[in-house]
Amino acid sequence: GQNIDQPTEMTATEGAIVQINCTYQTSGFNGLFWYQQHAGEAPTFLSYNVQDGLEEKGRFSSFLSRSKGYSYLLLKELQMKDSASYLCAVRDGDYKLSFGDGTTVTVRA
Amino acid sequence: ETGVTQTPRHLVMGMTNKKSLKCEQHLGHNAMYWYKQSAKKPLELMFVYNFKEQTENNSVPSRFSPECPNSSHLFLHLHTLQPEDSALYLCASSQRWDSSYEQYFGPGTRLTVT
Repeated sequence: GQNIDQPTEMTATEGAIVQINCTYQTSGFNGLFWYQQHAGEAPTFLSYNVQDGLEEKGRFSSFLSRSKGYSYLLLKELQMKDSASYLCAVRDGDYKLSFGDGTTVTVRA
Repeated sequence: ETGVTQTPRHLVMGMTNKKSLKCEQHLGHNAMYWYKQSAKKPLELMFVYNFKEQTENNSVPSRFSPECPNSSHLFLHLHTLQPEDSALYLCASSQRWDSSYEQYFGPGTRLTVT
């Protein structure tokens, strides 16, 4: 099966920056997604990377290195509402999407 | 609101019951998915439908039976479930399954099997 690793939990202060790393080993690669999931709610799409480099979307940025099987999601100017689980998901060679366990980010005042 | 709705939002059923979960998407997408999300486990893909045809069955037990009558509706029929099937069941849709398009998730059905 696919292997996707990300830290279980991270804590940061309001206004700070947090970087969530994701490493993956999959049979083929057709893109990497980051989703945000608040407790009791559906995951919502944050970003998509298929080429190496950085994609920036407001306070959130996502980076990909295909040769290293590595991505990170950068959350800047943290707000209390950013407290959520962040899911790394990789689309393999057969276009199947596999998710990591998720990283729970807690933002403290 | 993501354009994907699911009913019911909560369901409690006994192991001998038969029930169905319903998903509807209002986005004009052609692919629909069922996922299972258990506590402390990653999202697990169960089924994929592309243009109403099943393209993926991820080794799901036969007590879960999907149905896709058209591109906008997806059902998951449940019968003789086990307590370990208790989980959040999420429906999602995307433009196509074999593309870079992101998936839009519904709010999920919280299922408890007693």
